[in-house]
Amino acid sequence: EPEVTQTPSHQVTQMGQEVILRCVPISNHLYFYWYRQILGQKVEFLVSFYNNEISEKSEIFDDQFSVERPDGSNFTLKIRSTKLEDSAMYFCASSSGTSGRAYDTQYFGPGTRLTVL
Amino acid sequence: GNSVTQMEGPVTLSEEAFLTINCTYTATGYPSLFWYVQYPGEGLQLLLKATKADDKGSNKGFEATYRKETTSFHLEKGSVQVSDSAVYFCALTPGGGSQGNLIFGKGTKLSVKP
Repeated sequence: EPEVTQTPSHQVTQMGQEVILRCVPISNHLYFYWYRQILGQKVEFLVSFYNNEISEKSEIFDDQFSVERPDGSNFTLKIRSTKLEDSAMYFCASSSGTSGRAYDTQYFGPGTRLTVL
Repeated sequence: GNSVTQMEGPVTLSEEAFLTINCTYTATGYPSLFWYVQYPGEGLQLLLKATKADDKGSNKGFEATYRKETTSFHLEKGSVQVSDSAVYFCALTPGGGSQGNLIFGKGTKLSVKP
C-alpha cells in the first residue's frame, strides 16, 4: 500500500542553524501538508501546497519557514534559523484531491522529531 | 474560530470493555469531521470520517455520528482489544470545499489491558 515517507526520523540541531525536513508524498497525490506537534500539545497545521504554490498557511508559518517541491517526488520544509521553540514532531501529509480538500483523506507520514539545542 | 475539544486521557480499559471518547467542536461553517489514530511509532491514520450532519462514520468496529445540534462527534467501540491501544485524535476541516487544513484536538491515549 502506498505510504508517505519522511526523513530523517530524528534531527538534532543547534539553535540558529538551518534544517530541511524531507517528505515523499504518495505519488499521484496533488495536495501536500505540513503539521507539527510540540510535545504534549495539539497537532497544528502549518502549511498546505498545491500546484507548486502555497494554498494556505497558519500564523505559525512565518518567514523562517519555507516549503518546496524540488522535483516530482520530494516535498521539503525548511526552517532557516531554528529556535528552541521549534522543537517538535513534524508530520507531512498528502491527499489525492479527488473529493475536494475539505473531505479528502489526508495520509500522514511517521514524522520527523526535531530537537533544537 | 474553529476548534476541537476532546476528553483528556489517558483512558485505561480492560479488553472487551465499551469505549467512548468525547469530542466537541466549534466551527464557523459546516465542517467535515474526522477521527485519526496513531499507533506507537507510526504516523496518524484516518480511522473514520463524516462530512455532513447525521452522517455516521465507521471502521474496524469504531463508530462516530456527526451531531450538529450538540456539535459533537464522539467515538465509540463496543468491545475494545489490546491492539486498539493508541492515541486517538478528533479533527475537523473548516466548512467549504476549499479549506483542507485539519484542526486537531489534543489527542486521547487509550491503553487496553488483557
